Amino acid sequence: KNEVEQSPQNLTAQEGEFITINCSYSVGISALHWLQQHPGGGIVSLFMLSSGKKKHGRLIATINIQEKHSSLHITASHPRDSAVYICAARGSGGGADGLTFGKGTHLIIQP
Amino acid sequence: AAGVIQSPRHLIKEKRETATLKCYPIPRHDTVYWYQQGPGQDPQFLISFYEKMQSDKGSIPDRFSAQQFSDYHSELNMSSLELGDSALYFCASRIRGVTYEQYFGPGTRLTVT
Repeated sequence: KNEVEQSPQNLTAQEGEFITINCSYSVGISALHWLQQHPGGGIVSLFMLSSGKKKHGRLIATINIQEKHSSLHITASHPRDSAVYICAARGSGGGADGLTFGKGTHLIIQP
Repeated sequence: AAGVIQSPRHLIKEKRETATLKCYPIPRHDTVYWYQQGPGQDPQFLISFYEKMQSDKGSIPDRFSAQQFSDYHSELNMSSLELGDSALYFCASRIRGVTYEQYFGPGTRLTVT
């Protein structure tokens, strides 16, 4: 069973700061998701990565398959970025279809 | 763009009752996943279906069953409800063979009293 670890668990920063959230996993994967969840709200998929780097607006996600590590970066952070960010891994086996989730990073951006 | 639809959005049941949650995937998505997120917990994978067949199984209790229908919608049936079943239940869908990316529904919040 894959273990997905995220750090930090909680992060408070000032508006405009550069944010980095880290995710590591224990066994090989076929894909890694970065998800955003607002309090009491649904889950929004930000990125799905299997290699390299992706960028969408102020968000950047990278993955290093050899090191079993991924990072989510937020540039020019804004209070509306405050949310829980979750990484979730899909196993590499053909039948391993469900995602294993990290415990999330609670991000608060203060004005 | 069409998204994953879940119904109902909120459900209150008493202990030992049954509940049925429904998930309507994005059109042309053939694979459906169910996840359970307890209060303050990370989501846990329950079960998935592809072409009406179970494709993967996670930590789904024996009291729960699920199925996928010919129009690809899925239903999660929960019997003998317990207080610990109170959670947010997410459904996600994708197109198998095209992408691993899963698209999540808004969730059904089940409260068992």
